[in-house]
Amino acid sequence: EVQLLESGGGLVQPGGSLRLSCAASGFTFNRHAMSWVRQAPGKGLEWVSAISGTSGSTYYADSVRGRFTISRADSKNTLYLHMNSLRAEDTAIYYCAKQGALQVGATIVYWGQGTLVTVSS
Amino acid sequence: EVVLTQSPATLSLSPGERATLSCRASQSVSTYLAWHQQKPGQAPRLLIYDASNRATGIPARFSGSGSGTDFTLTISSLEPEDFAVYYCQQRSAWPPTFGQGTKLEIK
Repeated sequence: EVQLLESGGGLVQPGGSLRLSCAASGFTFNRHAMSWVRQAPGKGLEWVSAISGTSGSTYYADSVRGRFTISRADSKNTLYLHMNSLRAEDTAIYYCAKQGALQVGATIVYWGQGTLVTVSS
Repeated sequence: EVVLTQSPATLSLSPGERATLSCRASQSVSTYLAWHQQKPGQAPRLLIYDASNRATGIPARFSGSGSGTDFTLTISSLEPEDFAVYYCQQRSAWPPTFGQGTKLEIK
């Protein structure tokens, strides 16, 4: 059974930093691209960042490029999102998502339960 | 980026009725379109991928159709557990984008 367990969310002040983690199990982690998708309170879904399997090529939404860094530790079956210079508009539930193939363009096939990030003074 | 526009924003129907949800893309996405379902307080779940393929474990009452710029998600006979928000999502062009969602509510 596929499981994606996010952690690391919480309350942080504007300008602060946070690292999210996503522990994966139930599938061959290094054979799948992975993404982070966020959802602001009461709003829709926004794709944030993706990383391919094997090569580890990374991609970012314009809204987070230069502030967020996605990475993966295949030996630990874990996905990360390092978030710096956080803003109020980054407040959201952050979902870890498994994609159906190595490439970042593959369909999102499974979602984690999410972790809440709140940016406020 | 590709803008996806979903209609209607809210759809009020009764259990047993047929639901038809639409998604229109600002440019052709071929058949690289998925539908995700989200219930209150839960993570989204993949229903349909590549426009018309049901994901694993998804009941046959859910079907998807369309190509290019116009897509439809149909639920043939609504069950109580189908009342949720539905999002379309394209993966044809970078970045991947989502529609704003259609809320399917009980009438």
